[in-house]
Amino acid sequence: KAGVTQTPRYLIKTRGQQVTLSCSPISGHRSVSWYQQTPGQGLQFLFEYFSETQRNKGNFPGRFSGRQFSNSRSEMNVSTLELGDSALYLCASSQNAANYNEQFFGPGTRLTVL
Amino acid sequence: AQSVTQLDSHVSVSEGTPVLLRCNYSSSYSPSLFWYVQHPNKGLQLLLKYTSAATLVKGINGFEAEFKKSETSFHLTKPSAHMSDAAEYFCVVIAQGGSEKLVFGKGTKLTVNP
Repeated sequence: KAGVTQTPRYLIKTRGQQVTLSCSPISGHRSVSWYQQTPGQGLQFLFEYFSETQRNKGNFPGRFSGRQFSNSRSEMNVSTLELGDSALYLCASSQNAANYNEQFFGPGTRLTVL
Repeated sequence: AQSVTQLDSHVSVSEGTPVLLRCNYSSSYSPSLFWYVQHPNKGLQLLLKYTSAATLVKGINGFEAEFKKSETSFHLTKPSAHMSDAAEYFCVVIAQGGSEKLVFGKGTKLTVNP
């Protein structure tokens, strides 16, 4: 069974631009969660989607948004990029909502904002 | 609010010697606790989980952790380190109270010397 895939793996943008990251969960998994990882703040929860609905949201500004499609693939969007948005963005999938015992992570998308 | 504190940002051991990675938690509820490992340029992998069953939890790759309520600790141990154990380790608690999101510690980077 293929693992969680994230595209692109690396991305360079400039301040003020917007970016869209994609996550394809493991086949059959219906929940996708997103995390931001930075050296200063560590790993922080962004949001979780289950069956195309946002189920939970972390403490991030409205510039960070996401969505989930009917095939469970998820995208996250960051608008008006700031230097501080440079980070590794990880997504994780699980079969059911809030089933954190079985959450599988992708390799991440490394975003650099110049 | 639930939180975890990883007491060491870096731990260095020699191959074949024991590993101890320390984690203290703070929780108003009976916590669910996890240890995840992140190898360079890879996503996170679940090592083990505590969900109020046995206090000594065995995980993958010879790791185990003991939940000690009196000390609010959940330290990760391994009897004999292997070179392949070099990675970053994260102690994680589930934030209850409706959100059920993962709250990560800052991480401990483990170096294994030959």
